[in-house]
Amino acid sequence: GQNIDQPTEMTATEGAIVQINCTYQTSGFNGLFWYQQHAGEAPTFLSYNVLDGLEEKGRFSSFLSRSKGYSYLLLKELQMKDSASYLCAVPNQAGTALIFGKGTTLSVSS
Amino acid sequence: EAQVTQNPRYLITVTGKKLTVTCSQNMNHEYMSWYRQDPGLGLRQIYYSMNVEVTDKGDVPEGYKVSRKEKRNFPLILESPSPNQTSLYFCASSLGTSGETQYFGPGTRLLVL
Repeated sequence: GQNIDQPTEMTATEGAIVQINCTYQTSGFNGLFWYQQHAGEAPTFLSYNVLDGLEEKGRFSSFLSRSKGYSYLLLKELQMKDSASYLCAVPNQAGTALIFGKGTTLSVSS
Repeated sequence: EAQVTQNPRYLITVTGKKLTVTCSQNMNHEYMSWYRQDPGLGLRQIYYSMNVEVTDKGDVPEGYKVSRKEKRNFPLILESPSPNQTSLYFCASSLGTSGETQYFGPGTRLLVL
């Protein structure tokens, strides 16, 4: 089976850096996705990692360690608009669905 | 503009009254999927479609039907809605499966009384 764990909530202040962790157990790894979801809105794609290491994309970076079943999303220079839920997801073994974690709700305060 | 659209965005209905939520994508994607999102449970897949006339059950298909007569459309049908189907529903599409990015529609918030 597959299982994804993320912290439920995190808080941070504007301008700070925050790291959102995700651990996963999956049979047949085929990459890991991060999505951002503002309350009541659709999830939007942030990043996709299939190889180990850090991928940087502007203020957001995503890291993957396949041997440890671990990923993190790093958000730098936090802004109020970064207050959202961050979802970690992996494809199921058949590749027919994304299995999502329950999401980490990030609150950014001034 | 590349997008996935859903209608209606909000719907209040009563138990047993059949309803359809439409989903359409303009990206020529082969794969489409329906998810429901509930507090504390996250996003769970209801049904998916790999291509026209090819559909299959996801993790929580009970009480739902789908069809894929055209590549761009993937409606979700609730033949006899019940209160436990009150949820936020998302349609998604992608070029293929596995490593392909899924693009989500804006969501349909359904309340079944």
